[in-house]
Amino acid sequence: IVMTQTPLSLSVTPGQPASISCKSSQSLLFSDGKTYLSWYLQKPGQSPQVLIYEVSSRFSGVPDRFSGSGSGTDFTLKISRVEAEDAGVYYCMQGVDLFTFGPGTTLDIK
Amino acid sequence: EVQLVESGGDLVQPGGSLRLSCAASGFLFSTYNMNWVRQAPGKGLEWVSYITSNSGTKYYAESVKGRFTISRDNAKNSLDLQMNSLRDEDTAVYYCAKLVSNGWHIDYWGQGTLVTVSS
Repeated sequence: IVMTQTPLSLSVTPGQPASISCKSSQSLLFSDGKTYLSWYLQKPGQSPQVLIYEVSSRFSGVPDRFSGSGSGTDFTLKISRVEAEDAGVYYCMQGVDLFTFGPGTTLDIK
Repeated sequence: EVQLVESGGDLVQPGGSLRLSCAASGFLFSTYNMNWVRQAPGKGLEWVSYITSNSGTKYYAESVKGRFTISRDNAKNSLDLQMNSLRDEDTAVYYCAKLVSNGWHIDYWGQGTLVTVSS
């Protein structure tokens, strides 16, 4: 499964919203009825951290300004009001057929 | 607190071998499936290998199949990656990553260990 992300970079003013799209070459709906699309943020100099799993479930401790949506092959990560600490590279990942990451989207804070 | 601590990264010549280890703590290691994920310098994340909790199933990315071997020792809470016939393109930070028990996403990552393949 091939994962694509758009845009590959974006620059956002604090307090403004941001949106990242992730598309998969095949449906990520698994036989158990769940859709295994997750989102990760890698802050500069750090390991990745999970934000969203199964399309729209926020991981423990993730601020509610982060939200995920989508189905099938099209998914979106939204940040309602960007903060300085949100800077980094965002990756989507599919877990239906082994694992594949998207190319990453770099979020820069203006 | 879940902790994953990788070790074993080093500078190695093309064609050489290296063994990475990941020491796990803070959770019942023997009941979780695990991944290795790598990141070449300045590049994105690439899944490398997967192993089930009982070592019964192992998968590899095409780029490492036949050269890398994943293994684990549940008695020692340890995950390993044996890397043979190393190539320049294997140069990367290698992360140990814990999968959730009831799904297919990663909930915890180690800090990574750097493997440099160069003559």
